[in-house]
Amino acid sequence: AQSVAQPEDQVNVAEGNPLTVKCTYSVSGNPYLFWYVQYPNRGLQFLLKYITGDNLVKGSYGFEAEFNKSQTSFHLKKPSALVSDSALYFCAVRDPSNTGKLIFGQGTTLQVKP
Amino acid sequence: DTAVSQTPKYLVTQMGNDKSIKCEQNLGHDTMYWYKQDSKKFLKIMFSYNNKELIINETVPNRFSPKSPDKAHLNLHINSLELGDSAVYFCASSQGYQSSYEQYFGPGTRLTVT
Repeated sequence: AQSVAQPEDQVNVAEGNPLTVKCTYSVSGNPYLFWYVQYPNRGLQFLLKYITGDNLVKGSYGFEAEFNKSQTSFHLKKPSALVSDSALYFCAVRDPSNTGKLIFGQGTTLQVKP
Repeated sequence: DTAVSQTPKYLVTQMGNDKSIKCEQNLGHDTMYWYKQDSKKFLKIMFSYNNKELIINETVPNRFSPKSPDKAHLNLHINSLELGDSAVYFCASSQGYQSSYEQYFGPGTRLTVT
């Protein structure tokens, strides 16, 4: 069965420090991977996706993610965290059923402290 | 302009009632989705439509019925509401479903069943 795991419920970083939010996946075939962010009482916003090509994907708001096929990981990174980055982050993988179905991880709360 | 909109934003109702949530997108997308986010923030797909045709119908009680009058609208009707239906329901849309298109989410409808 296809699945996504985000091993950390919460990540705490100081403003200005680099941040990493971890994601591992299990899917048959080539993975299509996504990161979304959810601010309090808001819908999800698309950050970036990996389809094919360069393993380092750049997205919105200075975020990037590194695809690692051997480790089946797709970690979200940012070189310098902002307090305004504090939110709930979701990793997702496209189900290979070709229905457009996304399978989401359980989410990781990022807390950036001044 | 709001890309994906949902009404109402909040819905408080009693067990046994029937209610509807409406969703509209002005992005010109062909595919629309309904997701349920539970109290632990876990996100799960419920339904999707592509140009008024049902594509995804996950294991959801028959009390939930989606309706797509045109490709810009996808409504969710819930009969005989139960306490366990309390959640945040998100509508989303994408250009299509047979590729790697990202999904754009609405602001959510918080349903509380008392």
